[in-house]
Amino acid sequence: EAQVTQNPRYLITVTGKKLTVTCSQNMNHEYMSWYRQDPGLGLRQIYYSMNVEVTDKGDVPEGYKVSRKEKRNFPLILESPSPNQTSLYFCASSLSNRPTNRGRSTYFGPGTRLTVT
Amino acid sequence: DQQVKQNSPSLSVQEGRISILNCDYTNSMFDYFLWYKKYPAEGPTFLISISSIKDKNEDGRFTVFLNKSAKHLSLHIVPSQPGDSAVYFCAASDSGNTGKLIFGQGTTLQVKP
Repeated sequence: EAQVTQNPRYLITVTGKKLTVTCSQNMNHEYMSWYRQDPGLGLRQIYYSMNVEVTDKGDVPEGYKVSRKEKRNFPLILESPSPNQTSLYFCASSLSNRPTNRGRSTYFGPGTRLTVT
Repeated sequence: DQQVKQNSPSLSVQEGRISILNCDYTNSMFDYFLWYKKYPAEGPTFLISISSIKDKNEDGRFTVFLNKSAKHLSLHIVPSQPGDSAVYFCAASDSGNTGKLIFGQGTTLQVKP
């Protein structure tokens, strides 16, 4: 079954304590990205990766890091979380960076709800 | 600055009737538009899309209309079913190579039996 998995699904942490949210896809997709969803703002892209070892900033990258050492994995790292990073996070993958008719499905993970106190 | 806007946070319709969800955008460089559906505790799932060179795309009960001059698109669901109750996100992609999707705020649709 084609899927994107994220772990953990729920996390409550304290300010400044480093954390990593893992993301893995089993579709051999080249393109992966991270979004955060906040009330009244929809989903906003944090970082994206076109392929292994190729990553770039999205619209809201401050306070986040990513790495893409393998095609299937794209972890999101918060080195020093702050309360304004409390949000719902989604990892996504697609065959390419273009939403073509065939590969127009961008697959999203189930989400990680993060609370930073 | 919100480039994609869904101005109705919620919509309630009766089962069997038409649901119309609206979306406005400001960037004329957007060349592809998509609708995603999201249930609670799940990630968004792709529903339907339309290229900017078309004005209509239909898939079963779902039809998306694009009015480029008005920078407006809408999703029609006919007939609406209780299982359609979810949050619907409009998204747009530009002609650049970042692959970024710009999302609207979402509209919560409730279909009453």
